Amino acid sequence: EPEVTQTPSHQVTQMGQEVILRCVPISNHLYFYWYRQILGQKVEFLVSFYNNEISEKSEIFDDQFSVERPDGSNFTLKIRSTKLEDSAMYFCASSLTLTGHGYTFGSGTRLTVV
Amino acid sequence: AQSVTQPDIHITVSEGASLELRCNYSYGATPYLFWYVQSPGQGLQLLLKYFSGDTLVQGIKGFEAEFKRSQSSFNLRKPSVHWSDAAEYFCAVAPNQAGTALIFGKGTTLSVSS
Repeated sequence: EPEVTQTPSHQVTQMGQEVILRCVPISNHLYFYWYRQILGQKVEFLVSFYNNEISEKSEIFDDQFSVERPDGSNFTLKIRSTKLEDSAMYFCASSLTLTGHGYTFGSGTRLTVV
Repeated sequence: AQSVTQPDIHITVSEGASLELRCNYSYGATPYLFWYVQSPGQGLQLLLKYFSGDTLVQGIKGFEAEFKRSQSSFNLRKPSVHWSDAAEYFCAVAPNQAGTALIFGKGTTLSVSS
């Protein structure tokens, strides 16, 4: 069964450093997403991406965040200058259609900012 | 604003007993409805989804959910719980028109006792 692959599974970074989280969505999917889950809290939407541009973003997704699909296969989330409160599990997801039919999530990257 | 409520933070069920996890949503129209399961350290796995039609939806691992429009509920059920069902369960909704973000509930942790 096709999978969404995220790397690394765990990343530790120092506060103020830039971090890039990587995802390989399912190959024929068209919509790509990032979500995050702070420890003990619910999963929160960050951003959706379609046709090489952001289609929707939440209040969390401020100027410190950016997304990119640099080569047609990878989908990255960059945090420009990490803060302690960015520590969370970050999930990538992809779907074939707009309304989330067949959403598939990756296993997540646990980001720890120290 | 759209919201999802999972009233039970933690439930303990004996192995072999039946299970019902509650989910209520607040949304103007009928959204798309999902249940996800997350085992420790793992990603989000889709159990089942409801878009339209039959209000009783069958999912993987023996789970089912029933959509009740009058109660704005989408409760998850399983007739006989196995120890491997211990995990965190998330209910989520997505708009059925423009907008792609899944909105998650805070989750219910299921423990299974022997």
